[in-house]
Amino acid sequence: EADIYQTPRYLVIGTGKKITLECSQTMGHDKMYWYQQDPGMELHLIHYSYGVNSTEKGDLSSESTVSRIRTEHFPLTLESARPSHTSQYLCASSEVGDSPLHFGNGTRLTVT
Amino acid sequence: AQSVTQLDSHVSVSEGTPVLLRCNYSSSYSPSLFWYVQHPNKGLQLLLKYTSAATLVKGINGFEAEFKKSETSFHLTKPSAHMSDAAEYFCVVSRSSNYKLTFGKGTLLTVNP
Repeated sequence: EADIYQTPRYLVIGTGKKITLECSQTMGHDKMYWYQQDPGMELHLIHYSYGVNSTEKGDLSSESTVSRIRTEHFPLTLESARPSHTSQYLCASSEVGDSPLHFGNGTRLTVT
Repeated sequence: AQSVTQLDSHVSVSEGTPVLLRCNYSSSYSPSLFWYVQHPNKGLQLLLKYTSAATLVKGINGFEAEFKKSETSFHLTKPSAHMSDAAEYFCVVSRSSNYKLTFGKGTLLTVNP
């Protein structure tokens, strides 16, 4: 049973719209992540956070931004969506150290 | 530097037969290795984890994996496939205490009745 929640599950929007993908976890984890997943490809880290008010860009360049004002909440924002942003976005969290990740069910974004 | 290669993009087995999903890794450090499973329209779920303890690691749902340093491999096995095992499987490597994981491209497992 998931303790990390992503909304919406599916989103279809037009080019140029601003969107926010929500991610919340109830486990009190300090570390949170956003991954981008495309079919047949490895997951790519686009943002991560060590804790409140700490955010870093990941390995894959992304036009999105994130914020971490509360431990449990790690939203991702696209100011102006483009078709190239069409993908699945997975949020994850973990405890400190080398702990495994807990993933949400993902948001599948389609930009038309 | 670290990398992961999953040697098969698709594996098809019959129900009740053994499963073998192959993973080779490269790491400049003593790695931590993971297998995750992703069922359709779901997030990833941890199957098992290796962190320099026993080389044979047992996971959930009857899966296990063996760490072979000499072969830089971490293959996932199960003696008898079940229909519910049909999913995508990801091999993952990380450097201990490093926040960043490196994922393989995934292996899609199909289980035929």
